[in-house]
Amino acid sequence: KAGVTQTPRYLIKTRGQQVTLSCSPISGHRSVSWYQQTPGQGLQFLFEYFSETQRNKGNFPGRFSGRQFSNSRSEMNVSTLELGDSALYLCASSLERRNSGNTIYFGEGSWLTVV
Amino acid sequence: AQKITQTQPGMFVQEKEAVTLDCTYDTSDPSYGLFWYKQPSSGEMIFLIYQGSYDQQNATEGRYSLNFQKARKSANLVISASQLGDSAMYFCAMREPYTGNQFYFGTGTSLTVIP
Repeated sequence: KAGVTQTPRYLIKTRGQQVTLSCSPISGHRSVSWYQQTPGQGLQFLFEYFSETQRNKGNFPGRFSGRQFSNSRSEMNVSTLELGDSALYLCASSLERRNSGNTIYFGEGSWLTVV
Repeated sequence: AQKITQTQPGMFVQEKEAVTLDCTYDTSDPSYGLFWYKQPSSGEMIFLIYQGSYDQQNATEGRYSLNFQKARKSANLVISASQLGDSAMYFCAMREPYTGNQFYFGTGTSLTVIP
């Protein structure tokens, strides 16, 4: 069974540009959540999508957005990039979202560098 | 207040020895889930073990076990018979009810296994 797939793995962008990251969840998983990981702030929750609807959102500015398609694939977009957006962006998928024991499975992440 | 606290930034262990990674958590909900993830230098977060707040027994998964002390709000990870491949960052995480798949992560512990 294929795991969570994230593309691209590495990318370099210039300040002010925008970037789109893609995530394909494990087959059958309907929930996709996104996390940002930086050395200073650690792992922070960005948002979660389930059945094409955003269900939960972390404390990030509106420059960070996402969407989910009918096949559960998800994209996140960051507009007007800032140097501080340089981070590892991790996508995680899971079967559902109500059970406290529900595990989320991560992809390998997308390493974004803003110069 | 931090929901997850990991007080050991770095740990060293001799190959084949056991090691305990500390984690304390803070929540007022009676129902919650506790998780441990391993992150090698490649970036992928690998799920290791889960403990539910109502579970009577400590969780075990192969060489991993979770020392769950509910009254002390601690959920320490024990790795037995350490291997060189265990060298990685280890993150403790918590999931509360009603927040979907929003996980709260600790700052992590860097484990180095010495041959």
